[in-house]
Amino acid sequence: QLVLTQSPSAAASLGASVKLTCTLSSGHSSYPIAWHQQQPEKGPRYLMKVNSDGSHIRGDGIPDRFSGFSSGAERYLTISSLQSEDEADYYCQTWGTGRGIFGAGTKVTVL
Amino acid sequence: QVQLVQSGTEVKKPGASVKVSCKAFGYTFSSFYMHWVRQAPGQGLEWMGVINPNGGSSTYAQKFQGRVTMTRDTSTSTVYMELSSLRSEDTAVYYCARDPVTGYFDLWGRGTLVTVSS
Repeated sequence: QLVLTQSPSAAASLGASVKLTCTLSSGHSSYPIAWHQQQPEKGPRYLMKVNSDGSHIRGDGIPDRFSGFSSGAERYLTISSLQSEDEADYYCQTWGTGRGIFGAGTKVTVL
Repeated sequence: QVQLVQSGTEVKKPGASVKVSCKAFGYTFSSFYMHWVRQAPGQGLEWMGVINPNGGSSTYAQKFQGRVTMTRDTSTSTVYMELSSLRSEDTAVYYCARDPVTGYFDLWGRGTLVTVSS
């Protein structure tokens, strides 16, 4: 069964970097994922798609402080030079077995 | 401007139906699939289903089969999501999300709050 696993929370200081992880379930390590950001009281926003080879395509207007890469079944989102507006929930998403699948989300706190 | 504009807040009684719309602007409507995703208060994102505006075929999450219907009107570049037999657990914000036929969502609507309460 295709499942995406995310840590519930992450924290880092203003101006620092944070790395979020999305893990694909066994047997699905070739799947791309997309990262979506949801700021408090707002709808989700597409950040980027990350392929299994680590290549990624950022959405329109997404700054290059956001980058993605892959290692095996893990897909990463790194946010550098953290800003207060980066405090949000981050969801990974994929498509498989004819359905959309989301991770449970990671809440990022900017200290 | 490329955007998805959703209809406004709805309040419904248990057992009723709700129909939410999502109008596309700034791109070729038929070239992208449209998904519906919901988010209950304090919870994560839940995929409900997808419609192909080019032809109107749809696929629904097993959880919603029999209760959800997704349709489109190509003349107005609008997709609709109708959910029937509403219960309190259906209280959520409902989002439409565009898909460039890859399975990955690259544009979201701002959401429609549906409250189910007696």
